[in-house]
Amino acid sequence: GQQVMQIPQYQHVQEGEDFTTYCNSSTTLSNIQWYKQRPGGHPVFLIQLVKSGEVKKQKRLTFQFGEAKKNSSLHITATQTTDVGTYFCAGPLDSNYQLIWGAGTKLIIKP
Amino acid sequence: DSGVTQTPKHLITATGQRVTLRCSPRSGDLSVYWYQQSLDQGLQFLIQYYNGEERAKGNILERFSAQQFPDLHSELNLSSLELGDSALYFCASSPHPGGGTGELFFGEGSRLTVL
Repeated sequence: GQQVMQIPQYQHVQEGEDFTTYCNSSTTLSNIQWYKQRPGGHPVFLIQLVKSGEVKKQKRLTFQFGEAKKNSSLHITATQTTDVGTYFCAGPLDSNYQLIWGAGTKLIIKP
Repeated sequence: DSGVTQTPKHLITATGQRVTLRCSPRSGDLSVYWYQQSLDQGLQFLIQYYNGEERAKGNILERFSAQQFPDLHSELNLSSLELGDSALYFCASSPHPGGGTGELFFGEGSRLTVL
């Protein structure tokens, strides 16, 4: 079946270091969405990318959607403690299909 | 505050029992989704309703059922509970019929513990 692979599963960084998570789909996606789930919280929508090769920025966060619409990345510059949480990507094959979710990447700030 | 309300927030019950989880979507949203998240795991899609009708089904066990009422609130019924059913159950809503269109608004979840 269709899958969205997300790596790494965990990333430990020092505060101030950068963080990147990658998503790869076995098939072309209609769009890609990113969500953040704080520890003990619920997923919160961050952004949706629709166009091939699209890049969007939100302050220190940069989101990319690959040219083939099969992969995406989220890069955080100079991580802060408020960035801690699990980042999920999710995308549908078609807007009428359900989201296929990645397993998430947990961002952990080293003490 | 996403505008999606889930009750109860916490529930502890025994194996073999039945529970009902309730979700009120954001005002105006016609789609309701149910997801299961086991400890430190990803989100497993269970089922979607749109305007009272079942729209899509995911990995939902036969012991589980759901419905959406005319006032658009939804209930997820879990029966013959097993230890492995212990998880966070999230409800999400959106205004769209298509599961892949636009943002999903998640409730705070119902944490079910089966002892």
